[in-house]
Amino acid sequence: GAGVSQTPSNKVTEKGKYVELRCDPISGHTALYWYRQSLGQGPEFLIYFQGTGAADDSGLPNDRFFAVRPEGSVSTLKIQRTERGDSAVYLCASSLPNSPLHFGNGTRLTVT
Amino acid sequence: GENVEQHPSTLSVQEGDSAVIKCTYSDSASNYFPWYKQELGKGPQLIIDIRSNVGEKKDQRIAVTLNKTAKHFSLHITETQPEDSAVYFCAASRDSNYQLIWGAGTKLIIKP
Repeated sequence: GAGVSQTPSNKVTEKGKYVELRCDPISGHTALYWYRQSLGQGPEFLIYFQGTGAADDSGLPNDRFFAVRPEGSVSTLKIQRTERGDSAVYLCASSLPNSPLHFGNGTRLTVT
Repeated sequence: GENVEQHPSTLSVQEGDSAVIKCTYSDSASNYFPWYKQELGKGPQLIIDIRSNVGEKKDQRIAVTLNKTAKHFSLHITETQPEDSAVYFCAASRDSNYQLIWGAGTKLIIKP
């Protein structure tokens, strides 16, 4: 079956602009997660959804970052007033309850 | 908080030889230890995981060992093949499959 799908695969934006990153989880996976990975490092947790609600958003770095999952499937990570330090690969993962995570291939965000 | 250290940062082995990657963790309450493989341009893929109630787990050419007393765990890959070349990450968590603390990664190079 299809894995976790993330679009776009690459996004280049100018400092100060707004961006949206999309994640399509594996069908039937109730849990969805967003991570951020900088070059040469492991992923850093941002937010976890169980169904439509954010069960844990403790990893969001500041209020410029926001994520939604209105129908409990597709999720969108939104970043306002982007900064050069936001440049990274944004990974989405999904899972069944208390089961291992399945990651997508990520969106590489470059803020110029 | 939890800290995970991973060594070596780069490992080069001859095809057919074994590779060992080691991680140490600081939080004695950590009880879940997954290993992920990440190929260039792709998301991390779970290859094996272990919980603190077992000391060793094996899956074909891959094995993980856990020493709770010393707070370290290791990944062993036998009979290495070119397709094993990738970056490998260890991680640790306490009662969570997503609040993972990740190591910095090991770049494994298999020489033909």
